[in-house]
Amino acid sequence: QKEVEQDPGPLSVPEGAIVSLNCTYSNSAFQYFMWYRQYSRKGPELLMYTYSSGNKEDGRFTAQVDKSSKYISLFIRDSQPSDSATYLCAMNYGGTTNKLIFGTGTLLAVQP
Amino acid sequence: GAVVSQHPSWVICKSGTSVKIECRSLDFQATTMFWYRQFPKQSLMLMATSNEGSKATYEQGVEKDKFLINHASLTLSTLTVTSAHPEDSSFYICSARTSGLNSGANVLTFGAGSRLTVL
Repeated sequence: QKEVEQDPGPLSVPEGAIVSLNCTYSNSAFQYFMWYRQYSRKGPELLMYTYSSGNKEDGRFTAQVDKSSKYISLFIRDSQPSDSATYLCAMNYGGTTNKLIFGTGTLLAVQP
Repeated sequence: GAVVSQHPSWVICKSGTSVKIECRSLDFQATTMFWYRQFPKQSLMLMATSNEGSKATYEQGVEKDKFLINHASLTLSTLTVTSAHPEDSSFYICSARTSGLNSGANVLTFGAGSRLTVL
């Protein structure tokens, strides 16, 4: 079993739709949870990061963490064609030396 | 915000030659940088942690003699793929910690990546 599981998609939605992207994980020691967006042939860029359980909102993006279920989500409201990209979840234990563990990424296509 | 610059973005080389990829932190110092490899439709796999002024730490299964990492200054790390073969063709991405340092979140900022094609 992989430490972090993410549905690779592709996920196709019409413009304006609410998008829900999810990851599950197996290690309860993870404390920090991040979402990165990666456009084709580019490096990932950080969207949001959260600590432990709870919600965090930034504009059209909302990140949720449910540690009891080992489940994290990213919601995109009023999706735009420019949101079309691969979304990667990532997480780590915290501390200065530990590494990020990434999901495989979900390819999202927002149709105009 | 902090920017990580990576060069070249795209390189084609013949089998058996060596290729160097540079990763620079712009406007900030990075004592630690990370090198990742990404195959099509797969996630990022950490190859090694590059430490300024000391040897890199390689992940299990990564050949340190094949993937030479040098971190000679606080703003530059290089990855050299030695005696490249077609199976080394991949997308290589570097990164540095740019926020969450005090909290331990270790948020990474990534370079734009370098696509290597070995013929």
